[in-house]
Amino acid sequence: AQTVTQSQPEMSVQEAETVTLSCTYDTSESDYYLFWYKQPPSRQMILVIRQEAYKQQNATENRFSVNFQKAAKSFSLKISDSQLGDAAMYFCAYRRAGYALNFGKGTSLLVTP
Amino acid sequence: DSGVTQTPKHLITATGQRVTLRCSPRSGDLSVYWYQQSLDQGLQFLIQYYNGEERAKGNILERFSAQQFPDLHSELNLSSLELGDSALYFCASSDRVSNQPQHFGDGTRLSIL
Repeated sequence: AQTVTQSQPEMSVQEAETVTLSCTYDTSESDYYLFWYKQPPSRQMILVIRQEAYKQQNATENRFSVNFQKAAKSFSLKISDSQLGDAAMYFCAYRRAGYALNFGKGTSLLVTP
Repeated sequence: DSGVTQTPKHLITATGQRVTLRCSPRSGDLSVYWYQQSLDQGLQFLIQYYNGEERAKGNILERFSAQQFPDLHSELNLSSLELGDSALYFCASSDRVSNQPQHFGDGTRLSIL
């Protein structure tokens, strides 16, 4: 079974600074996808960024980027120029092609002024 | 707005009762997924439908069932409710079985008294 581990239950960052959230996963599959979802206090699940395992290039979406290390099965999220609106729970998720998402337990991100 | 509509937003009921949660996927999406988010279990996959057919089951209890109708909307039925069933239930949809990201509805908050 695939497992996703987020080892940081809570993280804190100051506005305008950079923070990195960690995620590791375990799989024997070669075709899979990785995602970061954001869940603000409103409880919505918002897709932040996705990475296809077959792509070597790290995905980037504006201030959000990932460091995907396939051999190490590591998928960290970097948030640059942090903003107050980035405060939320962040979930790392793994998905085999055609299957459901497998989530980590989440990292709560606090952004301080 | 993800385009995925879930109703009702909140549901309060008593132990032993039965409820139905409804989900309308994004226009054109054939796959529907149901997830449960509880404090102790985190985000767990329950069941997936693709174009009306059950495709995969996760940690879904026998007291729970679901279906996807010809118009592609889906319903999750929860029966003989227990206190531990209190959770946020999400529906997500994607347009193909394979690699498209899942877009989440706003969830139904179920409270069992």
